[in-house]
Amino acid sequence: KQEVTQIPAALSVPEGENLVLNCSFTDSAIYNLQWFRQDPGKGLTSLLLIQSSQREQTSGRLNASLDKSSGRSTLYIAASQPGDSATYLCAVNSGGSNYKLTFGKGTLLTVNP
Amino acid sequence: GAVVSQHPSWVICKSGTSVKIECRSLDFQATTMFWYRQFPKQSLMLMATSNEGSKATYEQGVEKDKFLINHASLTLSTLTVTSAHPEDSSFYICSGKQGQETQYFGPGTRLLVL
Repeated sequence: KQEVTQIPAALSVPEGENLVLNCSFTDSAIYNLQWFRQDPGKGLTSLLLIQSSQREQTSGRLNASLDKSSGRSTLYIAASQPGDSATYLCAVNSGGSNYKLTFGKGTLLTVNP
Repeated sequence: GAVVSQHPSWVICKSGTSVKIECRSLDFQATTMFWYRQFPKQSLMLMATSNEGSKATYEQGVEKDKFLINHASLTLSTLTVTSAHPEDSSFYICSGKQGQETQYFGPGTRLLVL
C-alpha cells in the first residue's frame, strides 16, 4: 500500500526566502506525482505534475523534482511571497485501473511580510 | 483547464438526516469520479471511485450503505450521506477525470452535522 509523507508539517519563513518542501513515498512504482496548493476551506489547485519518466518540472517560481528510485520529490519555491501562504499537498498516482491518488498530509506554509 | 463544481458549498443538518452532494464536470466528460473526505489538519482520504454507469468501488473502512454514490451520467456524480451523525462532519471533495488524464478537483463541500 502506497504511503506518502511530507516534511515539515509546517513552515514559517520571512518574505523573499527560498524554501524546499519534501515529499517521500514508499512504493517507487508510480505513474506520476503531483503537487497541489490548498487554501483554507477551499479545494485543490494543481501546481505541477511530474511524469514518472521526468526528473523535474518548472512553473514560474516553482520547481518540482522527482527521484523515483529513492521515493522522493521536492517542491522548491523561490523568492517566497505572503500570497504563497497555503497548505501544499503532494499526491502520488500509482497507476492501475483508475489511476488513484494517494495524498500526503501536507505542509502548512506561512510567509511573513 | 477543466472545471469541476460542487453543490452545495456548505451544509448544516441535524443528526439522522440525509444529505446529498452533487459533483459536476462542466466542460469535460468525466468517465471516472472520485470522492474524498478531509478532516481538519488531515490529508485527503479517498472514499470511493465511481465509473459512469457502474457501481462505485469503496475504499477499505468506508461504509457503502452509509455513503451512497451515483454516477449516472458523464458529467454528474452524487454522494448521499445517509443518517448523518456528528462524526460525519467533514470537508468532502470530488474530482473527475477523463481516461488517463489528470484529476480535476471541485471546490469542496463542508458538512456540519449537529
